[in-house]
Amino acid sequence: DAGITQSPRYKITETGRQVTLMCHQTWSHSYMFWYRQDLGHGLRLIYYSAAADITDKGEVPDGYVVSRSKTENFPLTLESATRSQTSVYFCASRERGTGGFNEQFFGPGTRLTVL
Amino acid sequence: AQSVTQLGSHVSVSEGALVLLRCNYSSSVPPYLFWYVQYPNQGLQLLLKYTTGATLVKGINGFEAEFKKSETSFHLTKPSAHMSDAAEYFCAVRSANDYKLSFGAGTTVTVRA
Repeated sequence: DAGITQSPRYKITETGRQVTLMCHQTWSHSYMFWYRQDLGHGLRLIYYSAAADITDKGEVPDGYVVSRSKTENFPLTLESATRSQTSVYFCASRERGTGGFNEQFFGPGTRLTVL
Repeated sequence: AQSVTQLGSHVSVSEGALVLLRCNYSSSVPPYLFWYVQYPNQGLQLLLKYTTGATLVKGINGFEAEFKKSETSFHLTKPSAHMSDAAEYFCAVRSANDYKLSFGAGTTVTVRA
């Protein structure tokens, strides 16, 4: 499928378990992003990546790990899940450049519940 | 650094009435401004954006927004609400020399028949 996909769409896990959320885009966009969406906070940036093997922290990175060995994939790992990480997670991508015409495209989201 | 404030977490309008969603931003450099819409159980979709040029921008589904630099605002309007406009709307900003977006907390729109 063309575009940006996330898997799984829904996940229930337990406190302390490791969880990996997958993100895949078919456009070969340089930039990729992970956000979490919580009521009253909008979307907050967790990590981002400017290219393969280049990642950087966003606003709320604690408890998360990312990697980007291939341009098209940007997995997000919760090394030891906590209840506070219950959220909806969105992946996004965009083309290189800071010009105004380059918009971010969002995946459908993963709803994660940590019990 | 940028920040975005959306006034009102929830707006309820009658079908056919004006929709007005307020967004104010703070930015140390000229901003690019965006409105995104999120329908239930879906990702975010770009409604419209302001980068340069005309301050009144038109987007999809009959929405438009006006950039007012003096008021640091980018309010979203639609003259006549439709039931299909029920969704959550996010205002976002980024600097012209950056690629990261900062989002507001979102406004949920309910449309009454």
